[in-house]
Amino acid sequence: DGGITQSPKYLFRKEGQNVTLSCEQNLNHDAMYWYRQDPGQGLRLIYYSQIVNDFQKGDIAEGYSVSREKKESFPLTVTSAQKNPTAFYLCASSISGRVRDYGYTFGSGTRLTVV
Amino acid sequence: SQQGEEDPQALSIQEGENATMNCSYKTSINNLQWYRQNSGRGLVHLILIRSNEREKHSGRLRVTLDTSKKSSSLLITASRAADTASYFCATDGDGDYKLSFGAGTTVTVRA
Repeated sequence: DGGITQSPKYLFRKEGQNVTLSCEQNLNHDAMYWYRQDPGQGLRLIYYSQIVNDFQKGDIAEGYSVSREKKESFPLTVTSAQKNPTAFYLCASSISGRVRDYGYTFGSGTRLTVV
Repeated sequence: SQQGEEDPQALSIQEGENATMNCSYKTSINNLQWYRQNSGRGLVHLILIRSNEREKHSGRLRVTLDTSKKSSSLLITASRAADTASYFCATDGDGDYKLSFGAGTTVTVRA
């Protein structure tokens, strides 16, 4: 079955550490996205990528980095520069340039907690 | 940027009742989409309505769109316990390549 796999499901980070969240899709979608969700709030866009080796900052990119070396993979690194990283992180994919017609397919999320 | 705003923030209904939630947005859109999120899970695409449509049905879901008021509503008829979830509207007014989401409406269906 095609879909998006996020791992791990739960992640704990110590102060000052960088951590990487994995997102893999086998839907053959060109576009991939990272959103952050805080309790009681909507989704805020961190980064998105329309094609391999290219990505754009979203609304809250500070303290995060991404790479897009393969079509299937779009890992997100939460760096020590992100002062309040505790949140639920969602990865999504879509047919490139057609998100308005087809929408997103989401992964099941990674819950990151600072300890 | 957060385009859509859902109302109410939370809704509690009895099984079998209907649930209605609203979404308002700020800029012009091409299409509007609704998603459901079960607790601790990812979002699932429910239904899309185009700007030239006024109403759309899918099973027990009914969506309306009023572009003159920049608003949409989602109606779930004959609700079930499995409908307990958060519901989000998403708009494409911020560009061709991404969607903006509101804060969502949390629906609790009591048995």
